[in-house]
Amino acid sequence: KNEVEQSPQNLTAQEGEFITINCSYSVGISALHWLQQHPGGGIVSLFMLSSGKKKHGRLIATINIQEKHSSLHITASHPRDSAVYICAVSESGNTPLVFGKGTRLSVIA
Amino acid sequence: DAGVIQSPRHEVTEMGQEVTLRCKPISGHDYLFWYRQTMMRGLELLIYFNNNVPIDDSGMPEDRFSAKMPNASFSTLKIQPSEPRDSAVYFCASRTGLWRTQYFGPGTRLLVL
Repeated sequence: KNEVEQSPQNLTAQEGEFITINCSYSVGISALHWLQQHPGGGIVSLFMLSSGKKKHGRLIATINIQEKHSSLHITASHPRDSAVYICAVSESGNTPLVFGKGTRLSVIA
Repeated sequence: DAGVIQSPRHEVTEMGQEVTLRCKPISGHDYLFWYRQTMMRGLELLIYFNNNVPIDDSGMPEDRFSAKMPNASFSTLKIQPSEPRDSAVYFCASRTGLWRTQYFGPGTRLLVL
């Protein structure tokens, strides 16, 4: 079974800082997902990627398949970015997701 | 589209009682997933369906848990009898086809006393 590790577990940043959250996995995958869980509990899918880089607004996700590693970057962080960010992987298109434990981000004004 | 709908949003029950959680996936989605989230273990897959057929239920903790999907627009997760260690947030998610984003419902927060 794939093991998904995230770091750091908790992160506190000042508004405007550049933030990086890391994810590593143990077995080759077909896709990696970054999810955001709001303080109210709802979960939103941010990215699904299998290679390279994707960008959406201030969020950038990268993946290195050879190193089995992905990063989520947030530029110009804002208090509304405060949430738990969860990395999840799937080994093939029809296998379920395996989740990391999440990174709790707090952005202070 | 209303997104994935779950009910109830909160449930408080006493140990030994039966609990039924409900999920309505997004129309047209052919995969449905039930997850459980706890502080200790994070998000865990319990069971998932494809075209209403259970595909993998290896995450279901024990015989006290059961899930059904009688049609494409409705699924239930039942716990009988419930125990305090079942207290968690239960999420339902759906997606269409392979290589697609999953859409999560708002979750049901269950507390078993």
